Parts: sequence; structure tokens; C-alpha cells
Amino acid sequence: GQQLNQSPQSMFIQEGEDVSMNCTSSSIFNTWLWYKQDPGEGPVLLIALYKAGELTSNGRLTAQFGITRKDSFLNISASIPSDVGIYFCAGQLSSGGSNYKLTFGKGTLLTVNP
Amino acid sequence: DAMVIQNPRYQVTQFGKPVTLSCSQTLNHNVMYWYQQKSSQAPKLLFHYYDKDFNNEADTPDNFQSRRPNTSFCFLDIRSPGLGDAAMYLCATRRRGVETQYFGPGTRLLVL
Repeated sequence: GQQLNQSPQSMFIQEGEDVSMNCTSSSIFNTWLWYKQDPGEGPVLLIALYKAGELTSNGRLTAQFGITRKDSFLNISASIPSDVGIYFCAGQLSSGGSNYKLTFGKGTLLTVNP
Repeated sequence: DAMVIQNPRYQVTQFGKPVTLSCSQTLNHNVMYWYQQKSSQAPKLLFHYYDKDFNNEADTPDNFQSRRPNTSFCFLDIRSPGLGDAAMYLCATRRRGVETQYFGPGTRLLVL
């Protein structure tokens, strides 16, 4: 089956620093999604990418859909304490019909030191 | 303004005592998903409904069942919870033709 490798597993940074994390896949995807999950809460969608090469920003967040369709990265600029959480990448290969399933990375735990 | 609502947020049950978790959505989305998430892991898909069509994942235990009485509501029934079923259960929805899934806040299940 499809596998997503997400790195790094964890990051500990100082407030104000920029952060970068990425996901690579053994298979191609049609869609890449980035979610943030706070403790005890559900994942919240940050950015959705639908086309190879697409670069999309959402405030201090920027994400790109790799040209090969097998990778994506997420950058956070000027980190703040509330950026703390687990970031998940998720890829989706539309297989037709009703089977739109997400394949998740294992997550990146981000800690921001004020 | 909550779009995907899960109740309760925390549920405590006894070993072997049936429990039902609920999910409702105000988005009128066709597709609803149930995921199980254990500590420090990614969500794991249990099953999903495309309208009324039920799709079970091959490795979802028979202990887990689901009902979708209408577009807005979906239920997760755990017939005989074991200690290993303690987890966060997440509901998500998606509109037909759009790949993006929106998650609810989750229900944390504790099995005593």
C-alpha cells in the first residue's frame, strides 16, 4: 500500500524562527493536505493542494505540491507559541467512485520556546 | 458555527459495555468518515459512508459498527469495548467531488 514518510518527527525551536517539514510518498497523489492537531482536539485543515507544482500560502504558512506528485512541504515563518502542535500531511489518490481515502504521515511534533 | 460536531467529547465505559459515539454535520456533505486515533499516531480509517453506501475497511474489527440514519448524523457503535479500544475517535466529512476532509473535535474514549 501507499506509504508517507513525514520528517522531521519532532522539532524544538525558538519563537520567531522559521520551520520546514516535508512528506514524501512511494506513490503519486492527486491531492496533498496539511493539518494541525492540538492536544485533545481533531485535526484542523491548514492548506489544501490540488495541482502538481502548486504553491499556496495561508498567513505565515506556505505549502507546495511537488512536481513529481510524490512530495509536499510545509513552511511556517516567524513561529509563535500557538504554533505548537502536531502537523500531519495527508495525501489522497482519487480512485474513482466513492473511495476517497486519505493516507496520513506520522506527524511532526512542533514545540516553540517563547 | 461548528460544522462537524461530536458528542460526547469524553466518554467513559466499562469493559464489554456497549457504547455509541455520535457525529453530526451542518455542511450537508455526502461522505462521512470514522477514524480511530491512538496516542502519538496518525488517524486510522475505520469506515466511511458515501451517502447511504457503507464502506468498511478490511482490518476494522467486527466489534465496530456504524449507522447513518440521515445526511447529517452518523453513529459509531462499539459492541463490546476492550481496553485496546481506548482512543480518540474522529469523525470527518467531505463533499462529493471535493477531496478535502473536515474533522470534528473528536471523542476521547476511556475503557475501564
